[in-house]
Amino acid sequence: AQTVTQSQPEMSVQEAETVTLSCTYDTSESDYYLFWYKQPPSRQMILVIRQEAYKQQNATENRFSVNFQKAAKSFSLKISDSQLGDAAMYFCAYNTDKLIFGTGTRLQVFP
Amino acid sequence: KAGVTQTPRYLIKTRGQQVTLSCSPISGHRSVSWYQQTPGQGLQFLFEYFSETQRNKGNFPGRFSGRQFSNSRSEMNVSTLELGDSALYLCASSLIGNPPGREAFFGQGTRLTVV
Repeated sequence: AQTVTQSQPEMSVQEAETVTLSCTYDTSESDYYLFWYKQPPSRQMILVIRQEAYKQQNATENRFSVNFQKAAKSFSLKISDSQLGDAAMYFCAYNTDKLIFGTGTRLQVFP
Repeated sequence: KAGVTQTPRYLIKTRGQQVTLSCSPISGHRSVSWYQQTPGQGLQFLFEYFSETQRNKGNFPGRFSGRQFSNSRSEMNVSTLELGDSALYLCASSLIGNPPGREAFFGQGTRLTVV
């Protein structure tokens, strides 16, 4: 069965600094998708970034980028130039015919 | 374009009662998935509906059921409520559900409290 592990329950970062959130997963499939979702206090899950497993190039969306290591089954999220609005719960998710989520990392951003 | 709408936003029910939650997907989206979010178990997949048919189901008891209407709106029903059913229930819609790379758009959820 596929599993997703986020080993950092909480992280903090200073405004304008860079932070990296970790995620590992387990699967026997070769073709799949990975996502990072953000859940602010409003509770709505928002897609931050998506990575297709067959693509070697790491995905980038503005200040958000991933380090995808397929052999190591690792999928970390780097947030550059952190902003106060980045404070939220971040969930890593693996997609087969449904989304399998990790337990989340709460990110605090300090001014 | 309107997003995913879930109603009601908050709900308080008594043990043993039943409850129905509603989800209106983004216009044109045919797949609706439901997730339960609790502090202890995290986010867990309940089921997915596509074109009025349940296409996938998670590991939840039969008290949890759902359906989808011809306009793609979906309802989720929980019968004989237990205290452990207290959770945030999230609905997600996507164009077709598969291929799995399709982005899922989430609603703001329904916070259910069972007392």
